[in-house]
Amino acid sequence: SQKIEQNSEALNIQEGKTATLTCNYTNYSPAYLQWYRQDPGRGPVFLLLIRENEKEKRKERLKVTFDTTLKQSLFHITASQPADSATYLCALAPYNQGGKLIFGQGTELSVKP
Amino acid sequence: DSGVTQTPKHLITATGQRVTLRCSPRSGDLSVYWYQQSLDQGLQFLIHYYNGEERAKGNILERFSAQQFPDLHSELNLSSLELGDSALYFCASSVDSGGTGNEQFFGPGTRLTVL
Repeated sequence: SQKIEQNSEALNIQEGKTATLTCNYTNYSPAYLQWYRQDPGRGPVFLLLIRENEKEKRKERLKVTFDTTLKQSLFHITASQPADSATYLCALAPYNQGGKLIFGQGTELSVKP
Repeated sequence: DSGVTQTPKHLITATGQRVTLRCSPRSGDLSVYWYQQSLDQGLQFLIHYYNGEERAKGNILERFSAQQFPDLHSELNLSSLELGDSALYFCASSVDSGGTGNEQFFGPGTRLTVL
């Protein structure tokens, strides 16, 4: 069956460290993968997109990698800050299904000062 | 503020009733997407409209229907409501027809409670 999985347990890290979040998928061939941030009671906010033919993308303190052999994406936040505390969602886009996004359950990140 | 507006913010209703959720996309965006978010199911794709036409469908129940109007706003109609329909309903918009990777801008959501 098709699945997209993120670390279900909350990730607690110290301010200044690098947070690494994982997204694994099975039985999908995504055209691209996106990462979103969601704060409690609010709509998700887009962070980064990576396409199937790209290995790595960066934006300021954020980095995402995409390994289509391992069927995995890693999302890194370097020099993390308490303001980075939120739930992070990965979403993949199957081919030829319009703009349909399949979201993972999300990983809650807590950055302690 | 994403530029996507949703009304109402909160809706409390009874089982068996029918409700309509409304979404206005960002100025210039032609695509509208609807998602349902519940604690146990996460964020689930329901349906995508582009410039008034249905483009993709998720596991949307037959009791649910949607449309996009000529002015590009969209409505999601939920009927014969059940307790399990209680959730946050998000609308998102994007400039493209979907599939090219453009980001989706999410609205603040409508929290539906079915009693």
